[in-house]
Parts: sequence; structure tokens; C-alpha cells
Amino acid sequence: QSALTQPPSASGSPGQSVTISCTGTSSDVGGYDYVSWYQQHPGKAPKLMIYEVTKRPSGVPDRFSGSKSGNTASLTVSGLQAEDEADYYCSSYAGNNNVVFGGGTKLTVL
Amino acid sequence: EVQLLESGGGLVQPGGSLRLSCAASGFTFSSFAMSWVRQAPGKGLEWVSAVSSRGDTIYYADSVKGRFTVSRDNSKNTLYLQMDSLRAEDTAIYYCAKGYVSLNRFDYWGQGTLVTVSS
Repeated sequence: QSALTQPPSASGSPGQSVTISCTGTSSDVGGYDYVSWYQQHPGKAPKLMIYEVTKRPSGVPDRFSGSKSGNTASLTVSGLQAEDEADYYCSSYAGNNNVVFGGGTKLTVL
Repeated sequence: EVQLLESGGGLVQPGGSLRLSCAASGFTFSSFAMSWVRQAPGKGLEWVSAVSSRGDTIYYADSVKGRFTVSRDNSKNTLYLQMDSLRAEDTAIYYCAKGYVSLNRFDYWGQGTLVTVSS
């Protein structure tokens, strides 16, 4: 069982927006502004999409945005495109030099 | 271009050992902390271990503490993971990742190497 809770699936039509939630506790998501999101296509390595809750690495489209409220973080993908179909994992610093991940959400573009 | 290339995976019996390597290029390896993250078949990601840029500070997940040893050779731009007393639940793809545990920011990942623990 993963430390962070994500919905197993999410979906949206091209051009729509979809939001994926990530629920933790005050010991991880709620306690630190070090939440990251990773995109993973089948058979590929994870790719960093969001770090420090809201920041995007260079090259990540601004269609991807992150937020946090209390113990829940969220990833929003706006203007859905076919290539956004992938698994998405949230991650949080959990203190004592430990990082925890969510179980992943499979995003389907209808 | 940053590249991370893992090797050393394979099939090993329970209780056995395996040493993984991660060859880095395209960045100043000695300036960055590195981590190992694993993914069991069809499952989510699990952080395993981290080592500081100079190799003098090391962290482990509770699930591998006392069985796995992380190290690095900055002269060879290579990260290692020595895995002993392997269990079936250690079966996973093992990724090396560049970044800092304390910042929870892993900005580059290798393609992974598969470790299968089975009799």
C-alpha cells in the first residue's frame, strides 16, 4: 500500500482539463512544500513534470500545473492532448531524508 | 545531454546478491546527489536509497536498510547499489535518478534494470 493516495484512473477528452489528486498526511504532503509529479509512459522511465508543488522544469508545457491545499496536492492538465495519456505519480518529502510516492493514476485521453 | 545507464540486473535466488551500476554522463556527476528508485511489476514507485555528491552521506528506505548498500565512484561517474539477502519482494525495475531527497526533486532518470528474485 502506497503512502500517498491517488485515484487509480482519470480521463478527459482532447482539449479538456483534468485534475489528479494526491492525499497524504501532515507528515508528508501537508508538512512540506516538496511535492513532485512524474509522468511515465508504458515501458519508459518517469519524467519530472512538477516540483516544489507548483514549479515546472524547463521544457514541460505550461498546460501542466500543480497546487496544494492542506494534506492534498493536485496536478491539473489543461488542454488535454493525446500524448498526455500516461501514468502520473505524485511524490512528497516525508522528513528524515525519506521520500514517499503515490500509487499512480492512469490518465486516459478519450 | 544527461544520460543515466543502469546495468547489472538479472535473475537471482532468494537470499542471493546482486550489484547494480549506473553510468552517468552529460553533467558534472560529482556535484550532484543521486538516488535509486524501484518499481515492482505493475506497481508504483518506491524510493530505495540516496547518496550525497561526495558519497559521505547515505540514506535508505526502511524496507532495504541493512541489506542494500549504495556507493559511488566520482572518478568513474558511476553509482552503485549492492543488494544482499534478496527477497521476492525486491523484484522490480531499479532506476537511478539524479537529484536530492531533501528537495524531493529527481530531474533525470535512467531507463532502469530489472531485478528478479525467484527460485
